[in-house]
Amino acid sequence: DAKTTQPPSMDCAEGRAANLPCNHSTISGNEYVYWYRQIHSQGPQYIIHGLKNNETNEMASLIITEDRKSSTLILPHATLRDTAVYYCIVRVANYGGSQGNLIFGKGTKLSVKP
Amino acid sequence: EAQVTQNPRYLITVTGKKLTVTCSQNMNHEYMSWYRQDPGLGLRQIYYSMNVEVTDKGDVPEGYKVSRKEKRNFPLILESPSPNQTSLYFCASGPPSNTQYFGPGTRLTVL
Repeated sequence: DAKTTQPPSMDCAEGRAANLPCNHSTISGNEYVYWYRQIHSQGPQYIIHGLKNNETNEMASLIITEDRKSSTLILPHATLRDTAVYYCIVRVANYGGSQGNLIFGKGTKLSVKP
Repeated sequence: EAQVTQNPRYLITVTGKKLTVTCSQNMNHEYMSWYRQDPGLGLRQIYYSMNVEVTDKGDVPEGYKVSRKEKRNFPLILESPSPNQTSLYFCASGPPSNTQYFGPGTRLTVL
């Protein structure tokens, strides 16, 4: 079972920031938080990951709470092309064997509206 | 361009007719894996490979085979496909300690 909890759906106005929450209260000290998204039926796309510090890249920002039990993915200026299912996944980074598996939950369906 | 490619992208076949879905990556990744995606069940891992000649079962391996003779290729083999293997299949690759990159998907229908 996925070790994360996400709201099933969210709406966001085009041009506004989209803030997608994720709860991972049982996260272990050596587990990272990864975010992927899947646009329609395309292959999942990596967005960002982090351990405990906030992270930012060209796509998004990741805010992880100090206790690491939850995180928020921020798309600063959402566009219609950001409409997708967003998956929050926890996983050890330096893995061997089955630890490399990505356990996808149901994710959050983000709808960006004009 | 760094990418994971899958072929074919769409396939309709009949029960029992052996088929192979190819997966190739040009990023020199050691780790490769196969997932299937079904409505209501999400993405589930079928098989994975840590390196050449090293493969192992994922969560739903029944009815599938894989091989890893070369680093770049990781074909998925269905020896005797059945209708319950109708699904959307994704191949993924990545360095051993980091993110995975997914292919565009193969939509398989078994009649």
